Amino acid sequence: NAGVTQTPKFRVLKTGQSMTLLCAQDMNHEYMYWYRQDPGMGLRLIHYSVGEGTTAKGEVPDGYNVSRLKKQNFLLGLESAAPSQTSVYFCASSYSGTSGAFTDTQYFGPGTRLTVL
Amino acid sequence: QKEVEQDPGPLSVPEGAIVSLNCTYSNSAFQYFMWYRQYSRKGPELLMYTYSSGNKEDGRFTAQVDKSSKYISLFIRDSQPSDSATYLCATGGSQGNLIFGKGTKLSVKP
Repeated sequence: NAGVTQTPKFRVLKTGQSMTLLCAQDMNHEYMYWYRQDPGMGLRLIHYSVGEGTTAKGEVPDGYNVSRLKKQNFLLGLESAAPSQTSVYFCASSYSGTSGAFTDTQYFGPGTRLTVL
Repeated sequence: QKEVEQDPGPLSVPEGAIVSLNCTYSNSAFQYFMWYRQYSRKGPELLMYTYSSGNKEDGRFTAQVDKSSKYISLFIRDSQPSDSATYLCATGGSQGNLIFGKGTKLSVKP
């Protein structure tokens, strides 16, 4: 099993450009997440999904959109990139856990390093 | 007040030392407590998972939760250079998402 994979690994954008980050998991997990990790800020949740066709906002959703058209894929889009979106982006997935809790083990991908100039 | 507070370090110790990593949290409803380990330029991976108060031991690692003081600890015995990484605490309740600490960067010197 590949686990959680992310594409691309690195990307440099100019301000105003758009891009889509792809996350794929082969563990048949219901829940998927997008985080950003910045120095001194830790991991912050951008958006998440509790199943195919569903998405919800996390702590820092502004400037991002997501889609979960297939259970195994979770896409993160930046419509008009800004320098403040320079970060390392991590995708994660988890089994739903008991009573739909979000606290099952999360499996993380290797990350995408994005620089916005 | 942030929901989870964690000293970012960095923390540098000699090989073989006992390491203590700590977090505090503010929401008394939190019941699930985890430690994730993140090597440089990698994604976090789960290291320890505890539910409610008490201790949990796994090899050289011990996770401790004190709900009365809202304090989470991770102890590493006989630390090794391979333990050099960033350690993130995480906590949450039965509803809502996991909240991560900022992470403590640990360096174990041979």
